Amino acid sequence: EAQVTQNPRYLITVTGKKLTVTCSQNMNHEYMSWYRQDPGLGLRQIYYSMNVEVTDKGDVPEGYKVSRKEKRNFPLILESPSPNQTSLYFCASSLNGPYEQYFGPGTRLTVT
Amino acid sequence: DAKTTQPPSMDCAEGRAANLPCNHSTISGNEYVYWYRQIHSQGPQYIIHGLKNNETNEMASLIITEDRKSSTLILPHATLRDTAVYYCIVRAIYNQGGKLIFGQGTELSVKP
Repeated sequence: EAQVTQNPRYLITVTGKKLTVTCSQNMNHEYMSWYRQDPGLGLRQIYYSMNVEVTDKGDVPEGYKVSRKEKRNFPLILESPSPNQTSLYFCASSLNGPYEQYFGPGTRLTVT
Repeated sequence: DAKTTQPPSMDCAEGRAANLPCNHSTISGNEYVYWYRQIHSQGPQYIIHGLKNNETNEMASLIITEDRKSSTLILPHATLRDTAVYYCIVRAIYNQGGKLIFGQGTELSVKP
């Protein structure tokens, strides 16, 4: 089954403790992206990757890092999480651009 | 990318057609109209896209006006499961970069 998986689905952590949210797709897609969703602010793009070793900033990249060492995986790294990064995070992928994207189920992160 | 305007909310009776409008008066010639929807806290789901001709798939129909300044997404027989936020996005294909901007969308409530 074609899908985008994210882990963990729920995470509660404390300020400053580094964490990684994994994202994996099994569709051989070139494009992958991370979004965060907050009440009243909608979906905002954090980072995206057009292909392996090619990443670029979205609209809200501060406080996040990404890497794309292999086509299927696109982890989101929070080196020093802060409470303002409490949010619902979505990973997405598509064949070759931000067009017909498949989204993962989401990761709900709480930073205390 | 052109900006879009959608009504914040709409109601529709179950079994009736849901017609969701989107205004994109500043759209340029190489920009497509994309529609996604998001059922509560799930990952967004791609629905349909078009350039200037009307499009139909198993989920919906997309009607784009001749001047391309507005469009309507039609769910022909809305069900309770179609209750979601619907996003209209305008974007050029093959332009530089991988950003995709989601607006506030229209919250569609399908009622029995």
